[in-house]
Amino acid sequence: KAGVTQTPRYLIKTRGQQVTLSCSPISGHRSVSWYQQTPGQGLQFLFEYFSETQRNKGNFPGRFSGRQFSNSRSEMNVSTLELGDSALYLCASSLGGTGIETQYFGPGTRLLVL
Amino acid sequence: AQKVTQAQTEISVVEKEDVTLDCVYETRDTTYYLFWYKQPPSGELVFLIRRNSFDEQNEISGRYSWNFQKSTSSFNFTITASQVVDSAVYFCALRDPGYSSASKIIFGSGTRLSIRP
Repeated sequence: KAGVTQTPRYLIKTRGQQVTLSCSPISGHRSVSWYQQTPGQGLQFLFEYFSETQRNKGNFPGRFSGRQFSNSRSEMNVSTLELGDSALYLCASSLGGTGIETQYFGPGTRLLVL
Repeated sequence: AQKVTQAQTEISVVEKEDVTLDCVYETRDTTYYLFWYKQPPSGELVFLIRRNSFDEQNEISGRYSWNFQKSTSSFNFTITASQVVDSAVYFCALRDPGYSSASKIIFGSGTRLSIRP
């Protein structure tokens, strides 16, 4: 079974721009969660989607948004990029039915904001 | 509030030594779920183990073993006869059951393990 895939793997943007990251979950998984990983803050939960609905949200500003499609693929968008948004963005998928299943992670998208 | 503490920021041992990574957690829930993930330099978090709060059995998988003790709120991870390929950052995580289908997973700050040849 193919694992979680994320595209692109690397991205360089400048301040003020916006960016869209994509995540394809493991086949059959209906939940997708997004995390931001930085050296200073560690791994922080952004949001979780299940059946095209945002089920849970972390403490991030409104510049961070996401969505999920009917095929469970998810995208996250960051608008008006700031230098502090430079991070590894990880996507995780799980079966999703109960909200407590094990999450399996993708390789991440490394975003650099200049 | 929930919290996961991995007090060991970095550990360096010589190959073939045994090494234990500590994880202490805090939660008010009586039902919860604990995880260990490995993050090699490539960046992907690799799932290692999941333990439910109502199951205190220790787990052994090859050179890996986990000691779950509710009395001390700890879920420690031991690598026996470490190998260079074990070098990675290891994360302990806690997930609450949530009161709906929404539940959050909290990660510790990670322990960077270096195995020297």
